[in-house]
Amino acid sequence: DAKTTQPNSMESNEEEPVHLPCNHSTISGTDYIHWYRQLPSQGPEYVIHGLTSNVNNRMASLAIAEDRKSSTLILHRATLRDAAVYYCILSGDYKLSFGAGTTVTVRA
Amino acid sequence: DAGITQSPRHKVTETGTPVTLRCHQTENHRYMYWYRQDPGHGLRLIHYSYGVKDTDKGEVSDGYSVSRSKTEDFLLTLESATSSQTSVYFCAISWTSADTQYFGPGTRLTVL
Repeated sequence: DAKTTQPNSMESNEEEPVHLPCNHSTISGTDYIHWYRQLPSQGPEYVIHGLTSNVNNRMASLAIAEDRKSSTLILHRATLRDAAVYYCILSGDYKLSFGAGTTVTVRA
Repeated sequence: DAGITQSPRHKVTETGTPVTLRCHQTENHRYMYWYRQDPGHGLRLIHYSYGVKDTDKGEVSDGYSVSRSKTEDFLLTLESATSSQTSVYFCAISWTSADTQYFGPGTRLTVL
């Protein structure tokens, strides 16, 4: 399975944007880039996913590099509720491999 | 939010006893999954189901069995619980194999 590399942790101030990088140099042509997050004591929650083009939804934006070897999840205005572990996952089927993710801390 | 419930939410049991965890969905999704989450390992897939009575193994299936007799219920059974099965167990559902997975609230299992 293709692997992803994410920073262990990131800090942000409330109402500021957060840019979460993810490197996936061995991505295959059929792999989608998925982002999930997990709030403390909860199950993972879907955030966004994409294949080649940048994607936007009500939660976040996903910017995908032209060569698809990296991507960035963008939280436009972080709130305290966005403090969570964010997982970048490559998958073309049901197999979701959750790594350690990036722990995001939001300062008030 | 997807209608997924897990029961029990917490359980403490002793080594060697059988344990069954239940995942119930009200969304009529075809695919259902069981994961475990342990410190330092992230979430790992135990078993999954792609329809009633259709199940397959995930990456950490040893010591676990599953059953799905109805679309809405997916049961995970530990035939003889061991301390290494102490973990948080999450159920998930999806429409298709490549679709977004929606997770339940989790069951915290402690095996003494």
